Amino acid sequence: DTAVSQTPKYLVTQMGNDKSIKCEQNLGHDTMYWYKQDSKKFLKIMFSYNNKELIINETVPNRFSPKSPDKAHLNLHINSLELGDSAVYFCASSQEHRDYEQYFGPGTRLTVT
Amino acid sequence: SQQGEEDPQALSIQEGENATMNCSYKTSINNLQWYRQNSGRGLVHLILIRSNEREKHSGRLRVTLDTSKKSSSLLITASRAADTASYFCATVSGGSYIPTFGRGTSLIVHP
Repeated sequence: DTAVSQTPKYLVTQMGNDKSIKCEQNLGHDTMYWYKQDSKKFLKIMFSYNNKELIINETVPNRFSPKSPDKAHLNLHINSLELGDSAVYFCASSQEHRDYEQYFGPGTRLTVT
Repeated sequence: SQQGEEDPQALSIQEGENATMNCSYKTSINNLQWYRQNSGRGLVHLILIRSNEREKHSGRLRVTLDTSKKSSSLLITASRAADTASYFCATVSGGSYIPTFGRGTSLIVHP
């Protein structure tokens, strides 16, 4: 069974559109994350979320918003897409403790035209 | 802010050789983690080493940590073509549990 899954795997859309990426984990973890990986493979944390708090990287535009319907899901909504949003977006999960590793989803390649 | 910096950026070796990748960081850490990313896939955790540990092994992987030099190394022994991937170090610092990733080392192992 897939531990962390994301849909869709590829997303091609036009500037100005609003889109969502879904993420689900079946590991029973209490914390989920969204990362953005640019064309140079730099991986940047966007959000960290558990049932207690949402930690937002202050460099992330407010066009991006995480939505968690329950503990196993953390979706990423993006409004008014821009060319610079093109990247691979990874969902991840872990236990909320510094000595636990992260489990990553397969990624969603977003292309904004 | 970016914490870990991997070196070299790219490494090309022949199957059977050893591959060594280094990671340097700037501030004190709680732990340092190594991940592998195959092309078009998500990251997979390899090893976590705590700040009070100096060396850890997992199969053909050996990780060392030198907190005085703020550096870590990942050694892959007897490399295989299947080891071809990008390798990232990630550090966890302070009261955070969120790792900060470097830019990765791209390893190519030629059969």
